[in-house]
Amino acid sequence: KNQVEQSPQSLIILEGKNCTLQCNYTVSPFSNLRWYKQDTGRGPVSLTIMTFSENTKSNGRYTATLDADTKQSSLHITASQLSDSASYICVVALLSGANNLFFGTGTRLTVIP
Amino acid sequence: GAGVSQSPSNKVTEKGKDVELRCDPISGHTALYWYRQRLGQGLEFLIYFQGNSAPDKSGLPSDRFSAERTGESVSTLTIQRTQQEDSAVYLCASSLYGTQYFGPGTRLTVL
Repeated sequence: KNQVEQSPQSLIILEGKNCTLQCNYTVSPFSNLRWYKQDTGRGPVSLTIMTFSENTKSNGRYTATLDADTKQSSLHITASQLSDSASYICVVALLSGANNLFFGTGTRLTVIP
Repeated sequence: GAGVSQSPSNKVTEKGKDVELRCDPISGHTALYWYRQRLGQGLEFLIYFQGNSAPDKSGLPSDRFSAERTGESVSTLTIQRTQQEDSAVYLCASSLYGTQYFGPGTRLTVL
């Protein structure tokens, strides 16, 4: 069964600290993995997209890693800011079609001053 | 603006009424998707359009849900005889080469 699981469900950190969010998946055949940021009341915004051959990709203070062998991905946020407070959603795409996306339920991150 | 827009942003309706949600994708994007997000839950795929045709309708939860797209542009999602469990945020996304760009969503509340 194709599934995407994220952990933790929620996280509270102090401003300026680093954090790492986890995504494990069983989707196969794998095409790519995406991390989205979703602010409250807004639509998701793409942060990174990684294919099978990519191990890491950065977007500013966000760095995503991918281990296709263990089917795990992480999103590391460096020097967190209050504006990082949001839900972070991991999405895995099947190889067989553009519409075959599997969504995690997200990690709710709260950054406090 | 150049992004995906949706209307209305909020819709409150009575159980049993029909509602129509609108999505304006990014100009030139051939693919369009509808998703549903219930409170505290992840995104749930509803339907996918490539051009004006819908090759994948597998996510529509019941025959009360339908969607259409015209002119490879605007799409409407119609929910007939709304039920309280239809209350959710309905998100639209469009794409050209893979990455999906999401609209802000329509928050539907069925009383």
